[in-house]
Amino acid sequence: QKEVEQDPGPLSVPEGAIVSLNCTYSNSAFQYFMWYRQYSRKGPELLMYTYSSGNKEDGRFTAQVDKSSKYISLFIRDSQPSDSATYLCAMSYGTGTASKLTFGTGTRLQVTL
Amino acid sequence: NAGVTQTPKFQVLKTGQSMTLQCAQDMNHNSMYWYRQDPGMGLRLIYYSASEGTTDKGEVPNGYNVSRLNKREFSLRLESAAPSQTSVYFCASSPTDEKLFFGSGTQLSVL
Repeated sequence: QKEVEQDPGPLSVPEGAIVSLNCTYSNSAFQYFMWYRQYSRKGPELLMYTYSSGNKEDGRFTAQVDKSSKYISLFIRDSQPSDSATYLCAMSYGTGTASKLTFGTGTRLQVTL
Repeated sequence: NAGVTQTPKFQVLKTGQSMTLQCAQDMNHNSMYWYRQDPGMGLRLIYYSASEGTTDKGEVPNGYNVSRLNKREFSLRLESAAPSQTSVYFCASSPTDEKLFFGSGTQLSVL
């Protein structure tokens, strides 16, 4: 069993829909949780960065962490075709270095007109 | 701002050939990383350098070597390429935490 599980998709939604992307994990020591967005043939870019449990909002994006269930989510409101990408979750113990970062395999999202 | 720059973008090698992937960052970050990304496997850390003058193995270091040339540059060398090293390679840098800034990647095919 992988430490971080993520449904690979693809997930196809119409423009304007609310999208929910999720990751589950098994290691309760994870403290920092991230979401990266990766466009085709590009490197990942950091989208959201959260510590411990709770919600964090940034524009149309909301990151949610439920440590009791070992479950994190990324919600995208009013989805746009430009949101079509692969979304990677990542998490760490908070060592101050990315050398211990664990990534999910990514969920491919397609937003259609 | 250029951020993290990787060269080359594409490369085809024959089994046994060697090559070096170059990476440079202009954000004055201390730490630099090399990852490979394979379908269904996600991003896996090959080597990293926490600061200038230090390098450490990541999850999948076999078959690779690295050099932290200075604070800006971190290269990855394949001494004798194998088909199993066909992958997309990403260089990344970070300041003093887990936030990574990635380059645009090198698509490598080993025949």
